[in-house]
Amino acid sequence: KAGVTQTPRYLIKTRGQQVTLSCSPISGHRSVSWYQQTPGQGLQFLFEYFSETQRNKGNFPGRFSGRQFSNSRSEMNVSTLELGDSALYLCASSRGRGEKLFFGSGTQLSVL
Amino acid sequence: AQTVTQSQPEMSVQEAETVTLSCTYDTSESDYYLFWYKQPPSRQMILVIRQEAYKQQNATENRFSVNFQKAAKSFSLKISDSQLGDAAMYFCAYRSARIQGAQKLVFGQGTRLTINP
Repeated sequence: KAGVTQTPRYLIKTRGQQVTLSCSPISGHRSVSWYQQTPGQGLQFLFEYFSETQRNKGNFPGRFSGRQFSNSRSEMNVSTLELGDSALYLCASSRGRGEKLFFGSGTQLSVL
Repeated sequence: AQTVTQSQPEMSVQEAETVTLSCTYDTSESDYYLFWYKQPPSRQMILVIRQEAYKQQNATENRFSVNFQKAAKSFSLKISDSQLGDAAMYFCAYRSARIQGAQKLVFGQGTRLTINP
């Protein structure tokens, strides 16, 4: 069974641009959540999607958004990129809410 | 809001020895879950062990065990017979048992564990 797949693995953008990251959950998993990991702030929860609906959102500005498709795949978008958005973005999936999380290997975003 | 604190940024241990990683947390909730995750250089977060707050018995998974002290809000991880493959960043994490907080994990800052051969 394939694990959680995140694409791309690495991404370089410049300030002011926007970026879209993709996450394909494990087959059969309906919940997808996103985390940002930085050396300074550590791991922080971004948002959770279940059955195409955002169920929970972390304390991030409106520039961070996401969505989930009917096949449970999820995308997150960051608009008007800032230098501080440079981070590892991790996606995790689970069969249902409150169940065991399986993480992907992340997308490393660098903003220049 | 819940917080998780790992006071040891780095730890090292000799191969085959035992090491304990510390974690404390703060919450006003009575029902929650605690986790230890491992993040090797591949960056993928791997669940090591999980503890339900309502269970008094400490969780164990092979060489990994926890010391869960609910009143003290302490949750330490003991790794026995350390192996080179155990080298990684270890994160302690908290999750509320309330459904609206279902997949929101609150992480500590991590402890980098080095295994010396």
